[in-house]
Amino acid sequence: KAGVTQTPRYLIKTRGQQVTLSCSPISGHRSVSWYQQTPGQGLQFLFEYFSETQRNKGNFPGRFSGRQFSNSRSEMNVSTLELGDSALYLCASSLAPQGAGTEAFFGQGTRLTVV
Amino acid sequence: SQQGEEDPQALSIQEGENATMNCSYKTSINNLQWYRQNSGRGLVHLILIRSNEREKHSGRLRVTLDTSKKSSSLLITASRAADTASYFCATDAAGNQFYFGTGTSLTVIP
Repeated sequence: KAGVTQTPRYLIKTRGQQVTLSCSPISGHRSVSWYQQTPGQGLQFLFEYFSETQRNKGNFPGRFSGRQFSNSRSEMNVSTLELGDSALYLCASSLAPQGAGTEAFFGQGTRLTVV
Repeated sequence: SQQGEEDPQALSIQEGENATMNCSYKTSINNLQWYRQNSGRGLVHLILIRSNEREKHSGRLRVTLDTSKKSSSLLITASRAADTASYFCATDAAGNQFYFGTGTSLTVIP
């Protein structure tokens, strides 16, 4: 069974640009969550989608958005990039929504560098 | 904001020794999970313990949960160099997202 796939693995963007990251969950998983990981802030929750609906959203500005498609694949978009957006972005998928006590499987992450 | 705090922040031990790391959290939870992260990569699920459980084992891992103290511990016995990684606890309550702790960086010296 294929794991969670995130593309691209590495990305370099310039301040002010926008970026779209993709996450393909494990087949059959309907929940996809996104996290930002930085050395200073640790793992910060961005948002969770379940069956194409956003269930929860973390404390991030509106420049961060996401969506989920009918095949459960998810994308997150960051507009007007700032240097502080440089981070490892992790996607996790699970059978049930977070809070239901199911294991979350993580992708390898997308390393975004903003210059 | 993060709910969990791991302690210690960093731990260095010799191969074969046991490693213990702790996680404290702030509010009531349904479940607590432990994850491992190798340098700059994705997280790997280790073990899940539910709020009505006190102890759980998986191979060389032993997890305890004390809901009265809002704390959990992860014990890795007979550590190996391959156990070198960061370890995170994640808590969840019904309808809510995971809250990850700050992580413990474990180094196992061969």
